[in-house]
Amino acid sequence: GAVVSQHPSRVICKSGTSVKIECRSLDFQATTMFWYRQFPKQSLMLMATSNEGSKATYEQGVEKDKFLINHASLTLSTLTVTSAHPEDSSFYICSAKGGLAGLSSNEQFFGPGTRLTVL
Amino acid sequence: GQSLEQPSEVTAVEGAIVQINCTYQTSGFYGLSWYQQHDGGAPTFLSYNGLDGLEETGRFSSFLSRSDSYGYLLLQELQMKDSASYFCAVREGTNAGKSTFGDGTTLTVKP
Repeated sequence: GAVVSQHPSRVICKSGTSVKIECRSLDFQATTMFWYRQFPKQSLMLMATSNEGSKATYEQGVEKDKFLINHASLTLSTLTVTSAHPEDSSFYICSAKGGLAGLSSNEQFFGPGTRLTVL
Repeated sequence: GQSLEQPSEVTAVEGAIVQINCTYQTSGFYGLSWYQQHDGGAPTFLSYNGLDGLEETGRFSSFLSRSDSYGYLLLQELQMKDSASYFCAVREGTNAGKSTFGDGTTLTVKP
């Protein structure tokens, strides 16, 4: 199966700082990656769709200037939480879709997630 | 928009069979997926139904009825390791990532 990694797995930062989270597809190329946020005991909420070489598509209610997404290559997408505040504390998960290299296009491959705590 | 309903909690014993239902109301529907998530971990894909009927993958099966806007995940021969949260997700189109997730069902398997 396809492997998606995220770095860091856990980060604690002070309010007002920016945090960058990396999402990498390790053994396949992903033209499209997705960023989700999940609060404790809640569902996954899609934040944005990250497209290689173009601007990300943000879901309604997600501030694009606060959550900067860059998809610089076919294997790397980054999410930067700018001027983080305690309410941004959450579990951030990226995923990549299949449909390439024989992988089922019906399946999403999720990274292990990044737990962000803003003090 | 999309809305999905699934039970918040289900409890069963080892070796039993459990069914987790999911009903949905959507403005666009392409298919229904199921994901498993253990505490602190990332979701893992279990199954996908694009057409009506039953899809079987080992101990797990998933069913879809488009006319009823309803699906379910069936877990057989339950094992302790099956204790996790299970999410149904409606896929809106050909983009597999453009999915709306339900609130999840916490399954507890007891000895």
